[in-house]
Formats: sequence, C-alpha cells, structure tokens
Amino acid sequence: DTAVSQTPKYLVTQMGNDKSIKCEQNLGHDTMYWYKQDSKKFLKIMFSYNNKELIINETVPNRFSPKSPDKAHLNLHINSLELGDSAVYFCASSSGPGWAFFGQGTRLTVV
Amino acid sequence: QQQVKQSPQSLIVQKGGISIINCAYENTAFDYFPWYQQFPGKGPALLIAIRPDVSEKKEGRFTISFNKSAKQFSLHIMDSQPGDSATYFCAASKEETSGSRLTFGEGTQLTVNP
Repeated sequence: DTAVSQTPKYLVTQMGNDKSIKCEQNLGHDTMYWYKQDSKKFLKIMFSYNNKELIINETVPNRFSPKSPDKAHLNLHINSLELGDSAVYFCASSSGPGWAFFGQGTRLTVV
Repeated sequence: QQQVKQSPQSLIVQKGGISIINCAYENTAFDYFPWYQQFPGKGPALLIAIRPDVSEKKEGRFTISFNKSAKQFSLHIMDSQPGDSATYFCAASKEETSGSRLTFGEGTQLTVNP
C-alpha cells in the first residue's frame, strides 16, 4: 500500500497550459504539504494544509493554487505554466511536528 | 537567505569507510533536526532525527552529532556501503501548533565505491 501517492509521475506540457497534480495519503495524517525540488535538488516548501485549512503559503506565484477536498487529499493546480516551473513536485504528509512522509514526486517539464 | 547550510556538496567514500556530512543552522527557534535520504526517482525518506536536548543519536550505522552552542549538526555513516549511495539532506524545523515546515540544506550527493 502506497502511503503518499501522487499522479502523474511525469508531466510534459507546453508553456501557457494549465495542469493539475493529485496527491492522496492513506496514513490518516492531519497535515499535508507541497514541496518543490529544483534542478539543483534544492527542496523548498510551497504550501501546508492542516485538516483542509491552509496553514503555510510561501512566496509562490498565485498561478499555483492548492486545493484540499478532504484531509487525505491535496491537489496542486498550476495555471499558465512557464519554463521556470519545470521541477519535481513532492507531496508529503505528517502527523507530528518536524518530519514528513514524502510521495514519489511528479516531474514536471514545461517545453 | 539560506537558513540551513550543508557541506560538502558531493562526497566519494570507499566501501567500509566513514561518510561525514555537516550542517549549520541560523534560527535558534529550530527544535527538530531530521536527516533525509533520497534515491534517484524517489521521494526523500526520513533516516534519523535529533532534538537539541541530545548531543548524539545513533541508529545502526547512522549517527547524528549535535552541537547546540555552535548551531551545527552532522551525520556520520559508519561502514559505508554502495547501497548508501544517495543524496542526503539535513533539515530543521520548529514545532508549531499545526503543521510545521522543513527547511532543508542543499543536499550532499554521496557515492560509495565498492
């Protein structure tokens, strides 16, 4: 059983398109996150939700909009994709402070 | 502003050797320091973690050493194996009432030669 699953694993799309990444966790955790890993492998938090409520919203362009329909799901919608959005996006979940369980990642390539 | 600095960027060790990765942090409010291991094509996985009231924590071949006054902590991998070849990230966080963000170091690419 996959604890944190993301779909799709790979996403190739053209500039200007709108795309979504879905995330589901079956761990019963209250908190979910989106992290971005750039080409240099640097990991940075984008958003955090706790029980469907937005807790953390880092300095992310408003083209990125997270949505949490329930505490087991956190989706990421990206409008008007740009070349610089190419990265690996990780969903994660947590039941406690300080640590997180990560999904396999979605490699987004904007061409 | 990089709040957690990690070195070296890459490290090559022979099988059986000791791998040492160092991190330094700035924010004294951080109270939890995990290390993550990431294999190619996979998400980061929690390896070992320490709180600042402890100076050392050991789990199998992996040991974290923590120096609160210097605001530094390090990961030691004893008897390094080729299967340990991965990218290692130190991180820091502070306990919050709901959810907490991980601030990551830049990562260290470890290669263990057979």
